[in-house]
Amino acid sequence: KQEVTQIPAALSVPEGENLVLNCSFTDSAIYNLQWFRQDPGKGLTSLLLIQSSQREQTSGRLNASLDKSSGRSTLYIAASQPGDSATYLCAGWMDSSYKLIFGSGTRLLVRP
Amino acid sequence: DAGVIQSPRHEVTEMGQEVTLRCKPISGHDYLFWYRQTMMRGLELLIYFNNNVPIDDSGMPEDRFSAKMPNASFSTLKIQPSEPRDSAVYFCASSCFECPPYEQYFGPGTRLTVT
Repeated sequence: KQEVTQIPAALSVPEGENLVLNCSFTDSAIYNLQWFRQDPGKGLTSLLLIQSSQREQTSGRLNASLDKSSGRSTLYIAASQPGDSATYLCAGWMDSSYKLIFGSGTRLLVRP
Repeated sequence: DAGVIQSPRHEVTEMGQEVTLRCKPISGHDYLFWYRQTMMRGLELLIYFNNNVPIDDSGMPEDRFSAKMPNASFSTLKIQPSEPRDSAVYFCASSCFECPPYEQYFGPGTRLTVT
């Protein structure tokens, strides 16, 4: 059974720091990997999707990479801002079935 | 596009009552997903549809849960009878396999409280 683990569970950093969020999965049969952001009491906002043929994706200050061989993905946030404070979730798409398996999330606090 | 629309946003009901959650996917998307989020179990996929047909309902917890998609623009998730342990946030999401950027887009969720 596929399991997705996110480390750390919580992170507090001062504004301006570069940071890395980690996501690992037990089964390398990940098809795509998607990173989401969730603000308290809100829905999920898609940040980046790494397709099966890709190794990384970039959007603004965000960069996500995927290494299927090691079963890991990382989300890099450059020059963090207080507005980046949220919970970040990674989710693996299993094979081509479109079933998303979610990690438990990393709760990020960026202090002014 | 208005995005994925869910209603109601909040629902409070008593144990034993029937609850119906509604979802309107993004126009043109042919996949629709229902998820449940709780503190204990995180986000779980309940069921998903492709072209209005249920493909995988293995995540539906019990027979008390049922989902339908009568057309491409509407889906319901029904719980009958509801129990306190069903209290959670229920999300609907949609996607298009053939359409970039291929991502799943989530609605704002319905927060269900069963007393």
